[in-house]
Amino acid sequence: AQTVTQSQPEMSVQEAETVTLSCTYDTSESDYYLFWYKQPPSRQMILVIRQEAYKQQNATENRFSVNFQKAAKSFSLKISDSQLGDAAMYFCAYRSRRDTGTASKLTFGTGTRLQVTL
Amino acid sequence: DTGVSQNPRHKITKRGQNVTFRCDPISEHNRLYWYRQTLGQGPEFLTYFQNEAQLEKSRLLSDRFSAERPKGSFSTLEIQRTEQGDSAMYLCASSLAGLGGYTFGSGTRLTVV
Repeated sequence: AQTVTQSQPEMSVQEAETVTLSCTYDTSESDYYLFWYKQPPSRQMILVIRQEAYKQQNATENRFSVNFQKAAKSFSLKISDSQLGDAAMYFCAYRSRRDTGTASKLTFGTGTRLQVTL
Repeated sequence: DTGVSQNPRHKITKRGQNVTFRCDPISEHNRLYWYRQTLGQGPEFLTYFQNEAQLEKSRLLSDRFSAERPKGSFSTLEIQRTEQGDSAMYLCASSLAGLGGYTFGSGTRLTVV
């Protein structure tokens, strides 16, 4: 079974600074997806960024980028130029590329609460 | 399309009562997932549908839980004889088979008193 570990329950960053959230995962599969989701107090899970394991290039979405280390099974999220609106819970999630049965489900970490201060 | 819609947003019920939640997915999405999220935890998979067929159920889904997706459109999740341990947020998500990403709803927060 796959597991996702987020070892930082809380992080704090000053506005305009950069912060990195850590995630490690365990799987025996070679082809999968990794995601970072943001959950603000409004509760809706919002997709921040997605990485396909077969792609060596790290994904980037505006101020958000990842450092994907497949051999180390590490998938960290870097937020540049942090804004007050970035304050939320951030969840790392894994999904097999296989599309049958529970392989299509997402497995989440326990989350990191990000605070953004002035 | 307004995304994935869940109703109600909040539900407070007495222990032993039955409750039902509804999820309306994105119309062209053929897959629908239910997750449960307790305080301080990430969401945990409960069950999923492809069209109207319920294809998988987690061991977390006890006999008191039942989910349906008639006609492959909206879905309902019913909890019978609620217990305090059922207090959680219930999230619904939808996707297209073969694609990696999900769209989540805002969830239904259940409080059992």
